[in-house]
Amino acid sequence: DAGVTQSPTHLIKTRGQQVTLRCSPKSGHDTVSWYQQALGQGPQFIFQYYEEEERQRGNFPDRFSGHQFPNYSSELNVNALLLGDSALYLCASSSGQGDYGYTFGSGTRLTVV
Amino acid sequence: GIQVEQSPPDLILQEGANSTLRCNFSDSVNNLQWFHQNPWGQLINLFYIPSGTKQNGRLSATTVATERYSLLYISSSQTTDSGVYFCVTNAGGTSYGKLTFGQGTILTVHP
Repeated sequence: DAGVTQSPTHLIKTRGQQVTLRCSPKSGHDTVSWYQQALGQGPQFIFQYYEEEERQRGNFPDRFSGHQFPNYSSELNVNALLLGDSALYLCASSSGQGDYGYTFGSGTRLTVV
Repeated sequence: GIQVEQSPPDLILQEGANSTLRCNFSDSVNNLQWFHQNPWGQLINLFYIPSGTKQNGRLSATTVATERYSLLYISSSQTTDSGVYFCVTNAGGTSYGKLTFGQGTILTVHP
């Protein structure tokens, strides 16, 4: 049973560029959440998608946007990249019926230069 | 929003030692979890424990919701226990689905 799959694993972008990160949830899960983890910090909640809609959003600017597809997979898009966007981006999937049972992917390490 | 404070921030142990990690939270919660992040970044859920005590092998956890703290016990530590331990919660209600992580405790276990 595949867990959460994220791609790519590593990415280097230049300031001002745009980036798209992808996440495939664990089989049987229908909810996808995205987190940003800066070096030495705990993950920070970006947003959560359920039934192809953004259900919750953290304190992140509109440069951060997302999408969920009918097969429950999700994308995180970041526009106008800043140096401060360099971080590990984690995707977590869960079942929409409960606020536990989260499975995290291994993350995408984004470096903005 | 809810604040989650973990202590100690760093912990260095010799293999076989026992340890206790603490998490204090600023508001009542209906969701308290402990996660382990290995050196490669993978987050693994250890316990879902909004109240009471649970044990899983060498690990156990206790949450006293009325006093707003949770403890994670690691006994007979092994080098594979190294990594960062996060206390995670949300305050329910409109925060449903929005997990708040503590800053973590970095555990290093030496052989």
